[in-house]
Amino acid sequence: AQKVTQAQTEISVVEKEDVTLDCVYETRDTTYYLFWYKQPPSGELVFLIRRNSFDEQNEISGRYSWNFQKSTSSFNFTITASQVVDSAVYFCALSEVRGGFKTIFGAGTRLFVKA
Amino acid sequence: GAGVSQSPRYKVAKRGQDVALRCDPISGHVSLFWYQQALGQGPEFLTYFQNEAQLDKSGLPSDRFFAERPEGSVSTLKIQRTQQEDSAVYLCASSLGGGPTDTQYFGPGTRLTVL
Repeated sequence: AQKVTQAQTEISVVEKEDVTLDCVYETRDTTYYLFWYKQPPSGELVFLIRRNSFDEQNEISGRYSWNFQKSTSSFNFTITASQVVDSAVYFCALSEVRGGFKTIFGAGTRLFVKA
Repeated sequence: GAGVSQSPRYKVAKRGQDVALRCDPISGHVSLFWYQQALGQGPEFLTYFQNEAQLDKSGLPSDRFFAERPEGSVSTLKIQRTQQEDSAVYLCASSLGGGPTDTQYFGPGTRLTVL
């Protein structure tokens, strides 16, 4: 069965600190996709990254980086030198190729970045 | 270009009333998804359309929920005889390709409050 666990409910950091948001997933499929979305206070989910199960290469985009490890079924997200504008709820999500048409979201991690 | 739009943004209904929520996907997007997001939770899948065909409605919580996309573009989610437990944000997302493994772009959501 599909499952996405974001164990950190809330994280609070001071501006310029680095912060890592954890995501652990469960799947029986060998081909699947993982996503991260940001939900700022305005409410609209903003796409951040999509990664397929065959590509374990880590990715960096500006201050954002992602660490995908199939061995531990984790897809963690790090924000370097956090800024107040990074304050939001971040969701990790999983879609299976053979899992029908569902995308399963984690419960989200609320990040507070204080000035 | 225009993103996904949803209307109304806010809806207050008395218990027992019927409501209709509208989603305008990005032009040309084949796939359309509806999600329900309860307070403090991640989005939960309701239903999926590929063009006008509803290929998965396994997430609809009861037969009071009905969705359609008759011409393969605009979609309407209808909730009959609303109950207090239906109070949530209803999110619509669209993607260019078919299936859930493509990147989904979300609308701002409709916040439904049932009194």
